[in-house]
Amino acid sequence: GENVEQHPSTLSVQEGDSAVIKCTYSDSASNYFPWYKQELGKRPQLIIDIRSNVGEKKDQRIAVTLNKTAKHFSLHITETQPEDSAVYFCAAKGSSGDKLTFGTGTRLAVRP
Amino acid sequence: NAGVMQNPRHLVRRRGQEARLRCSPMKGHSHVYWYRQLPEEGLKFMVYLQKENIIDESGMPKERFSAEFPKEGPSILRIQQVVRGDSAAYFCASSPRDLGQPQHFGDGTRLSIL
Repeated sequence: GENVEQHPSTLSVQEGDSAVIKCTYSDSASNYFPWYKQELGKRPQLIIDIRSNVGEKKDQRIAVTLNKTAKHFSLHITETQPEDSAVYFCAAKGSSGDKLTFGTGTRLAVRP
Repeated sequence: NAGVMQNPRHLVRRRGQEARLRCSPMKGHSHVYWYRQLPEEGLKFMVYLQKENIIDESGMPKERFSAEFPKEGPSILRIQQVVRGDSAAYFCASSPRDLGQPQHFGDGTRLSIL
């Protein structure tokens, strides 16, 4: 089945700096890659997603890039703000149906 | 536009009791997914259902766990004879009929086993 690895597990940045979180996946047939933000005690919230026919997608301060050859995708957050502090999860939808396989999460702390 | 509704938000059970977790998908969504999250860990897929059908239950333990999504009413995740290791947050997500659509999550049920 699909296996998703995520790095780093924790990330601390100064407010205004950029943050990058990277994920790799194992199933070359995976075709959908969402990113979720989860604040403490809250639901995972979809922040951006990308499909395998696209290399990059941007939404204001958030961007995701996908390298199908290398089987990795990354989340980029620019001009970070304290409210960006949360745990971020990447996920991949493999060839075996509609379920998502999640990475282990990155705890992002933005220092004011 | 109500989102995915889960209840209860918190559930406390003693070892050996049964736990029933409910999930009503977003309006217009016919696919329901259940995930489990242990403290400080990621989400693990358990089961994927459509109305009256279990599509994929590969992530659900073979014993004590069952799920249903009847024609009328919410999806139910049922855990029989709970043990301490069942303590976790259980999240439900839903997506529209078309495959490949984003999954939106509910607020989860936090299950604690005494």
